[in-house]
Amino acid sequence: QVQLQQWGAGLLKPSETLSLTCAVYGGSFSGYYWTWVHQPPGKGLEWIGEINHIENTNYNPSLKSRVTMSVDTSKNQFSLRLTSVTAADTAVYHCARGRGADAFDVWGQGTVVTVS
Amino acid sequence: EIVMTQSPATLSVSPGERATLSCRASQSVSSNVAWYQQKPGQAPRLLIYGAATRATGIPARFSGGGSGTEFTLTISSLQSEDFAVYYCQHYNTWPRRITFGQGTRLEIE
Repeated sequence: QVQLQQWGAGLLKPSETLSLTCAVYGGSFSGYYWTWVHQPPGKGLEWIGEINHIENTNYNPSLKSRVTMSVDTSKNQFSLRLTSVTAADTAVYHCARGRGADAFDVWGQGTVVTVS
Repeated sequence: EIVMTQSPATLSVSPGERATLSCRASQSVSSNVAWYQQKPGQAPRLLIYGAATRATGIPARFSGGGSGTEFTLTISSLQSEDFAVYYCQHYNTWPRRITFGQGTRLEIE
């Protein structure tokens, strides 16, 4: 059974860089796209972007200038960096597995990130 | 950019009754729609993909329908554990775009 476990700094100051990592346990790392989604307090979900094991990436155009994703295949981990954060980036950040090109079937537990 | 609009924002239904949630796309998206359930403090849970295919382990009381611009999620007989927020999601392969609706809160009447 595939599980995702994520971690990273939960409190940032404006202009700092958000950095989160998600580890994949119990399943294959290759053959999937690995995704980040965020959810501002009390609001809906927004796709940030995705990466596969050979580091092909797709980013949300609205965040593309500030986003970098990477993978560490030796550890079955993928990471998110979001630069120049503002209060608007305060959210719960979720990592997830892309089922194919369509939906996300396995999710991490979520990380609360506050920019203040 | 395709916008997914969900209605209603809040739906009040009694346990045992049927609930129908709607999602409208701003332009045709074929059957490229998924549905998720999210409970407070939890990650979303995939229910439906390809507009009508239930994900692994999802009970048969959940069904999805529609194509083009109009989609529905129906829960045939509401159980207490079904009261949650539901999101639709569009996916496009190229250019790669993922967009979510704003959510429908399903609450106990």
